[in-house]
Amino acid sequence: DAGVIQSPRHEVTEMGQEVTLRCKPISGHNSLFWYRQTMMRGLELLIYFNNNVPIDDSGMPEDRFSAKMPNASFSTLKIQPSEPRDSAVYFCASRKEGSGNTIYFGEGSWLTVV
Amino acid sequence: LAKTTQPISMDSYEGQEVNITCSHNNIATNDYITWYQQFPSQGPRFIIQGYKTKVTNEVASLFIPADRKSSTLSLPRVSLSDTAVYYCLVPVGSGNTGKLIFGQGTTLQVKP
Repeated sequence: DAGVIQSPRHEVTEMGQEVTLRCKPISGHNSLFWYRQTMMRGLELLIYFNNNVPIDDSGMPEDRFSAKMPNASFSTLKIQPSEPRDSAVYFCASRKEGSGNTIYFGEGSWLTVV
Repeated sequence: LAKTTQPISMDSYEGQEVNITCSHNNIATNDYITWYQQFPSQGPRFIIQGYKTKVTNEVASLFIPADRKSSTLSLPRVSLSDTAVYYCLVPVGSGNTGKLIFGQGTTLQVKP
């Protein structure tokens, strides 16, 4: 079975540019999570969806960040405009209802903003 | 705002059994306890999950006392490849809307 698929794997962009990260959750999973990881702040939960509906976005750092899940098989995390402090690894994860806390992570999108 | 507390780091030697304990004093009645492993440059990977007593799989064992305020991940006969960060996870909130917030984790260093 295919795992959580994220794209791009690596992106280097200039400050001020728009960045769009994409995620395809595991088929049949109904929860989707976006995390950000840095050395300083560790693994932070940004936002999560249940059945395509955003449940909690309190972890989104500021208005420059937005996330959407138009259908069960696709989600985007957008940063506009990007700043150097947004440089991090962004992970998408998904969970199947009834599986407790068992979530499956993608390989991450490594973002560098210069 | 993780609900868990675990040691920041641990050292071990190859072939030893490693036990990592996590405190979750405010665990809710219906909460599961889940452990993840993360290698550098990879996303966290599910290891084991339990609700009470003992759970064992091919990778690890999880011991949960009756009061469920703590849990211990046991890795038998570790090897160098078990060097990783280990996270204990308890949801913040309840049910399917519970937030899965990772704490700082325990960095395990296995030495030859």
